[in-house]
Amino acid sequence: DAGVIQSPRHEVTEMGQEVTLRCKPISGHNSLFWYRQTMMRGLELLIYFNNNVPIDDSGMPEDRFSAKMPNASFSTLKIQPSEPRDSAVYFCASSFSGGRSREQYFGPGTRLTVT
Amino acid sequence: DAKTTQPTSMDCAEGRAANLPCNHSTISGNEYVYWYRQIHSQGPQYIIHGLKNNETNEMASLIITEDRKSSTLILPHATLRDTAVYYCIVNSGGSNYKLTFGKGTLLTVNP
Repeated sequence: DAGVIQSPRHEVTEMGQEVTLRCKPISGHNSLFWYRQTMMRGLELLIYFNNNVPIDDSGMPEDRFSAKMPNASFSTLKIQPSEPRDSAVYFCASSFSGGRSREQYFGPGTRLTVT
Repeated sequence: DAKTTQPTSMDCAEGRAANLPCNHSTISGNEYVYWYRQIHSQGPQYIIHGLKNNETNEMASLIITEDRKSSTLILPHATLRDTAVYYCIVNSGGSNYKLTFGKGTLLTVNP
């Protein structure tokens, strides 16, 4: 299995521009998570999807952030307009929610720099 | 979920066993202990989890005390590539999907 795939791996953009991060979860997994990691705040959960439906978006910082999961094999995290404080590494993770244990498998991340 | 306490950092010699402790004194009966690690510039990596019994897989062993208030992750023969931040997380699983990553333990494997 290829694991969780994220693109792009690095993104540099100017303040005010729209940024779209992409994620392909592991085949067969029905839960998908978007996290953000910064030195100051560590690893934070932004949003959780189960069976393509957003279940918990309480971690999404503000209206500038939106996430979609149009099908079981693809999700996007969009920031519009981007700001310098959005600079961070964004991780996507997936898991299978059918069992009791809920181990999550993370992608390599997208390093976003907003200038 | 129960709170966990881990040392900030540890050192280990290459080829020796690395034993990483974690305290979770408020763990409840239905909560699992999970271990993840994050190698520099990579995403967190799932290592192992357990409920009551000791567990072993190709990466590591997990020893949980009988009262379940603490656990130890054992890397039997540490290599330089095992240098990473190791996170101990307690979670009840099922509908509880949230993994709370604390600051973890920075394990440095020295040649």
